[in-house]
Amino acid sequence: EAGVVQSPRYKIIEKKQPVAFWCNPISGHNTLYWYLQNLGQGPELLIRYENEEAVDDSQLPKDRFSAERLKGVDSTLKIQPAELGDSAVYLCASSSNIRGGSYNEQFFGPGTRLTVL
Amino acid sequence: GENVEQHPSTLSVQEGDSAVIKCTYSDSASNYFPWYKQELGKGPQLIIDIRSNVGEKKDQRIAVTLNKTAKHFSLHITETQPEDSAVYFCAASGSNYQLIWGAGTKLIIKP
Repeated sequence: EAGVVQSPRYKIIEKKQPVAFWCNPISGHNTLYWYLQNLGQGPELLIRYENEEAVDDSQLPKDRFSAERLKGVDSTLKIQPAELGDSAVYLCASSSNIRGGSYNEQFFGPGTRLTVL
Repeated sequence: GENVEQHPSTLSVQEGDSAVIKCTYSDSASNYFPWYKQELGKGPQLIIDIRSNVGEKKDQRIAVTLNKTAKHFSLHITETQPEDSAVYFCAASGSNYQLIWGAGTKLIIKP
């Protein structure tokens, strides 16, 4: 069974340019997460989807970041315009539905390493 | 706010010895505590988790202990092997189904 797929794996852009990341979760997983991971730190949640609904986007910098999951499967995360401080690894994860009060294992993709020059 | 502290940041042990990584959490309502292993260039992978209704859980060479009173939980790896070298993250459940992550421990297994 395929794991969480992310593309691209690496992206180098100049500041003020737009960038987009794509994620395909594990088949059947209703919950999708986007995380940001800075070097030497743990993942920080940006947004969580239950199917196509963004149920937690409190940590998403909405002035420049946007995300969508139109059909409740694939998702894209966009930054426009990118800033130097956005250089990080962007991780996508998925899990089976967590409604009902139970935490389930999150499966992570390999991440997209973004470098903003 | 909700916080998880993880120690040490780097741990170097001789192959075959044991390794212990410790975490402290702040939210007394936390009830789920996973441990993830992250290898270079990969995303984190769950290796073991524990829920608040148990104090210890084992899976072969890996064990996790939980002290809810002290708000501590620890990862124990016995008979360490070279493939155990990685960054390990602890996490604790927070509000709104979030996981609050520690800063990570780089485990180095010396041959």
